Amino acid sequence: AQTVTQSQPEMSVQEAETVTLSCTYDTSENNYYLFWYKQPPSRQMILVIRQEAYKQQNATENRFSVNFQKAAKSFSLKISDSQLGDTAMYFCAFSYNFNKFYFGSGTKLNVKP
Amino acid sequence: NAGVMQNPRHLVRRRGQEARLRCSPMKGHSHVYWYRQLPEEGLKFMVYLQKENIIDESGMPKERFSAEFPKEGPSILRIQQVVRGDSAAYFCASSPNLRTGDVQPQHFGDGTRLSIL
Repeated sequence: AQTVTQSQPEMSVQEAETVTLSCTYDTSENNYYLFWYKQPPSRQMILVIRQEAYKQQNATENRFSVNFQKAAKSFSLKISDSQLGDTAMYFCAFSYNFNKFYFGSGTKLNVKP
Repeated sequence: NAGVMQNPRHLVRRRGQEARLRCSPMKGHSHVYWYRQLPEEGLKFMVYLQKENIIDESGMPKERFSAEFPKEGPSILRIQQVVRGDSAAYFCASSPNLRTGDVQPQHFGDGTRLSIL
């Protein structure tokens, strides 16, 4: 069975600072994909970043980067230079066949001015 | 190119009524997925459909819930005899046949918020 755990229900960060959101997962699969999704109050699900498990290099997308530790089954998201628009729920997700995504319970991020 | 369209955006039903949620996938997408998000929780997989076929319904409750994706028209998630515990946001996602090259393998709609009085 696949599980995704986000142990931080809520976090706050000052504008322009850096924050790291944690995610761990459990799977017996060797090839899989990991994702971070952002859900603002509008409830849209917006893909932030994706990581293929077979790639050792950590993915980056502008101010967003991940720290992927395959052996530890850890996949944290770092947001640099936080902006007010980053305020949202962030969900970590796992998929090994793209047919089914497993989501964590989410971390509510509040960026303070 | 329009995204995944879900309607209604918000649906209110009384206990015992039926709820029908619609999802039109992105143009060219033939795979549809339904997820449920309970308050303060992440999305939980319910069902995966291709045109006229249910591929994986391992996340569907055994009773009252059904889903279809007909040859023509949108995918429908149907909940019969709704109860308070069905109150949630229901998200639909779609994907094309060839997915490994797509950065975002599942494209999500904006969800339908179902409220049971």
